[in-house]
Amino acid sequence: EAGVAQSPRYKIIEKRQSVAFWCNPISGHATLYWYQQILGQGPKLLIQFQNNGVVDDSQLPKDRFSAERLKGVDSTLKIQPAKLEDSAVYLCASSFWDHRNTIYFGEGSWLTVV
Amino acid sequence: AQTVTQSQPEMSVQEAETVTLSCTYDTSESDYYLFWYKQPPSRQMILVIRQEAYKQQNATENRFSVNFQKAAKSFSLKISDSQLGDAAMYFCASLTNYGGSQGNLIFGKGTKLSVKP
Repeated sequence: EAGVAQSPRYKIIEKRQSVAFWCNPISGHATLYWYQQILGQGPKLLIQFQNNGVVDDSQLPKDRFSAERLKGVDSTLKIQPAKLEDSAVYLCASSFWDHRNTIYFGEGSWLTVV
Repeated sequence: AQTVTQSQPEMSVQEAETVTLSCTYDTSESDYYLFWYKQPPSRQMILVIRQEAYKQQNATENRFSVNFQKAAKSFSLKISDSQLGDAAMYFCASLTNYGGSQGNLIFGKGTKLSVKP
């Protein structure tokens, strides 16, 4: 079974530029998450989708971050304009909602803003 | 709001020995789930072990086991026969499902585990 796929793995941009990250969840997983992990901290939820609807985006900085999940499958997270403090790993995760509540993570997209 | 606290930023263990990582959590919900994830330098989060709050029996997965103390809101991870490959960041996390949607993971700050040969 293929895991959660993310791209690009690494990105370096200058502040005020834009960047987009792509995520393809495990087939059949209705729930998709984007987490931000700043160095030395635990991951923090940015946005959660169930199918193509938003469940929770309360911690998404909406003035610069946007995310969409068209057709309830893959998803794109965009940052525009980027700030230095956006340097982090962006983790995508997906889940098939059953009694096990197991959430599977991708390898992450590393962003450095200079 | 749920919170997860890991009070040990770093831990060290000798190869083949046993180590325990601590975690406390706070939630007002009665139905929740607790997890330990391992994160190697590649940064991919790997599930180590899961515990359902409604189960009294502590979960075990091979060399990994938990000590779940529901009243104390404590959820520690024990790694037996430590191996060099166990060296990583370990994150404790909680999840609560609400209404018609699956919940999301709330993570602690992590514990960096080093394994000495």
